[in-house]
Amino acid sequence: SQKIEQNSEALNIQEGKTATLTCNYTNYSPAYLQWYRQDPGRGPVFLLLIRENEKEKRKERLKVTFDTTLKQSLFHITASQPADSATYLCALPLRGSQGNLIFGKGTKLSVKP
Amino acid sequence: KAGVTQTPRYLIKTRGQQVTLSCSPISGHRSVSWYQQTPGQGLQFLFEYFSETQRNKGNFPGRFSGRQFSNSRSEMNVSTLELGDSALYLCASGTGHSLYNEQFFGPGTRLTVL
Repeated sequence: SQKIEQNSEALNIQEGKTATLTCNYTNYSPAYLQWYRQDPGRGPVFLLLIRENEKEKRKERLKVTFDTTLKQSLFHITASQPADSATYLCALPLRGSQGNLIFGKGTKLSVKP
Repeated sequence: KAGVTQTPRYLIKTRGQQVTLSCSPISGHRSVSWYQQTPGQGLQFLFEYFSETQRNKGNFPGRFSGRQFSNSRSEMNVSTLELGDSALYLCASGTGHSLYNEQFFGPGTRLTVL
């Protein structure tokens, strides 16, 4: 069955540093991968989508890479700020579905001033 | 455009009862998916409705059911509640047409089963 893992439950970094979050998956070759941000008490908010034929995608201070050989995606936040503190989830399409997702358990990022 | 809305936001029930949760998608979206989020299991897909038909289903028991109305609003029902059903229930809407479409999530309903 499809499996998706986010290696770290929590990541603490200093303001201004680059945060790097990891997402690994097995038993699947997804057409794309998505990253979401979730704040306490709220639903996830879509951040970025990267397709299997894209190596890297950027949006402002965010960068996502997708290595289909390693079956891994890296999510980077450069020049991190305390406002970036949240849980970040990676998600893959559910096999055979039209956009339904399986999610990793998330990495809780804390950026200290 | 208004976002996805879910009602109620909080709910407390006792074991054995049943519960109905409601979700209104973004205007124009025809797909509504439901997810359960718990600290131990994370976000898990329950089912998806598109044009009033269940299109996909996750690995949950038959106590979990849903439906979608002609205006795309969706309801989810859980019968014979168990303690383990305590969770945040999230619905997400999408166009349902594109393989790459992002999911727009509502704020969730926090269900506590005592």
